[in-house]
Amino acid sequence: KAGVTQTPRYLIKTRGQQVTLSCSPISGHRSVSWYQQTPGQGLQFLFEYFSETQRNKGNFPGRFSGRQFSNSRSEMNVSTLELGDSALYLCASSFQQGGGEQYFGPGTRLTVT
Amino acid sequence: DAKTTQPTSMDCAEGRAANLPCNHSTISGNEYVYWYRQIHSQGPQYIIHGLKNNETNEMASLIITEDRKSSTLILPHATLRDTAVYYCIVRVPEWGYGGSQGNLIFGKGTKLSVKP
Repeated sequence: KAGVTQTPRYLIKTRGQQVTLSCSPISGHRSVSWYQQTPGQGLQFLFEYFSETQRNKGNFPGRFSGRQFSNSRSEMNVSTLELGDSALYLCASSFQQGGGEQYFGPGTRLTVT
Repeated sequence: DAKTTQPTSMDCAEGRAANLPCNHSTISGNEYVYWYRQIHSQGPQYIIHGLKNNETNEMASLIITEDRKSSTLILPHATLRDTAVYYCIVRVPEWGYGGSQGNLIFGKGTKLSVKP
């Protein structure tokens, strides 16, 4: 079974721009969660989507948004990028909504200059 | 979700068993113990989880004390590739069990260094 895939793997953007990251979950998984990892804050939860609906949201500003498609693929968007948004963005899929057994992708490394 | 306490770092000799402890004294009756690890610059990897019985899979064994206030992850024959940060997380298994759903709350974990 193919694992979780994320595209692109690396991205460099300028302050003020916006960015869209993509995540394809494991086949059959309907939940996709997004996390941000930085050296200072560690791994922090952004949001979870299940059956195309956002089910849970972390403590991030409205500039961070996401969506999920009918095939369970998910995208997250960050608008008006700030230097502090530089991070590793990880998505994870699970079979159940709110599942504790989550499978992570390799991440997208975003650098904002 | 209940809080967990793990040692900041541990060393283990290659080929020996690595025993990683985790304290979760405030765990609720419906919460499971999950273990993940993160090898440098990769996404976290699910290892194993359990409720109260000991669990074993191809990667590791999980020993949970009878009072469920602590657990130990055992890597039976550690290799250099097991060098990683190991996270112990307690939470409900899925939506509908109460508690925080969806998100995994990662603490600082234990940095395991396997040495030749």
